[in-house]
Amino acid sequence: AQSVTQLDSQVPVFEEAPVELRCNYSSSVSVYLFWYVQYPNQGLQLLLKYLSGSTLVKGINGFEAEFNKSQTSFHLRKPSVHISDTAEYFCAVSEGLQGAQKLVFGQGTRLTINP
Amino acid sequence: DSGVTQTPKHLITATGQRVTLRCSPRSGDLSVYWYQQSLDQGLQFLIQYYNGEERAKGNILERFSAQQFPDLHSELNLSSLELGDSALYFCASSKGGIVYEQFFGPGTRLTVL
Repeated sequence: AQSVTQLDSQVPVFEEAPVELRCNYSSSVSVYLFWYVQYPNQGLQLLLKYLSGSTLVKGINGFEAEFNKSQTSFHLRKPSVHISDTAEYFCAVSEGLQGAQKLVFGQGTRLTINP
Repeated sequence: DSGVTQTPKHLITATGQRVTLRCSPRSGDLSVYWYQQSLDQGLQFLIQYYNGEERAKGNILERFSAQQFPDLHSELNLSSLELGDSALYFCASSKGGIVYEQFFGPGTRLTVL
């Protein structure tokens, strides 16, 4: 079974500073990776996904992530954060066979933006 | 708005009771998933249904059961509730299959007193 490790449980940054949220996954032949964001009292919203192709994936709200197979990582980055980016961020890997599918989530990283 | 609806939004009940959580998937999605989010366990996959059939099972307790109806809505039944069942329960839907993203509903917050 796959596993996902988010290396930081909390990340505080100042507004307009860059941020990187780290995610490592357990190795597999085929990997499908996702980053979701959860704003306070809301459900999860997809930020971006990696299925194949270019290792640099661009998502919504100015976020991007880089898939690194040799380091089994899928770190999320944003060059300049805003107060509105305060939320919990989840890295996930999709696994399954023949129509059976589930997302395996990391423990989440709470991003706090300070003015 | 993801297009996935869940009812009720909040549920407060007592230990030993039984509750039913309801989910309507996005139009066109055949697959429904249930997840539990708690402080100690994080986000855990419970179960998946595809077009009415159970397809995958995760860390779902025997006291919990689910089904997907012909109109594709799904219900998660939790019985003999314990304090530790207090959590946020999310439903998600997708077209089914490993490469498709899952769209999440707003969740049902269950509090067991």
